[in-house]
Amino acid sequence: NAGVTQTPKFQVLKTGQSMTLQCAQDMNHEYMSWYRQDPGMGLRLIHYSVGAGITDQGEVPNGYNVSRSTTEDFPLRLLSAAPSQTSVYFCASSYLRGEQYFGPGTRLTVT
Amino acid sequence: ILNVEQSPQSLHVQEGDSTNFTCSFPSSNFYALHWYRWETAKSPEALFVMTLNGDEKKKGRISATLNTKEGYSYLYIKGSQPEDSATYLCAFAEIGSSNTGKLIFGQGTTLQVKP
Repeated sequence: NAGVTQTPKFQVLKTGQSMTLQCAQDMNHEYMSWYRQDPGMGLRLIHYSVGAGITDQGEVPNGYNVSRSTTEDFPLRLLSAAPSQTSVYFCASSYLRGEQYFGPGTRLTVT
Repeated sequence: ILNVEQSPQSLHVQEGDSTNFTCSFPSSNFYALHWYRWETAKSPEALFVMTLNGDEKKKGRISATLNTKEGYSYLYIKGSQPEDSATYLCAFAEIGSSNTGKLIFGQGTTLQVKP
């Protein structure tokens, strides 16, 4: 059981570039989510999904897109990177009423 | 916007001290309260999921209590050890989220235990 995996671990982008952060889980969890973690701000929810084909916005969705074509995968797309998106990104999954399992995180820097 | 507050923001204690932190959350529409432990350079890991008013949970030297009527939860660490140094996060799930799994996190309490 790999749990929740995220790639890449580190990424540097230039302003305006686009990229996709990958997240996968092998626990057959219905719920998957993306958070960003900034100093003094805790974990803020970007987008979440309750199953394949179903996604919804969290607290800070602007500038990000998600899709959920399979139960296992939940990629996060940055459409046009901005310096304000410099952050550490965590993907998490869970059963709908259970504890969340977090991936190792992706540290993104936008210059 | 739902507000989840944790206090204190940070705490420095000596090895062997016992300590506690507070998580405050909306008392209406309560579904569940989670506690997570987050060590530096790692990912958050779940400690407890609590759903019933008056619930008490324990894992080794760490325990938690829940008061849903007044909207708070306490996390206690008995006889702190240096390996307890971490950020402790609480997260609130409101009643509608039983169908979504959505959590709102507090900002965390960072504990530093000095040997």
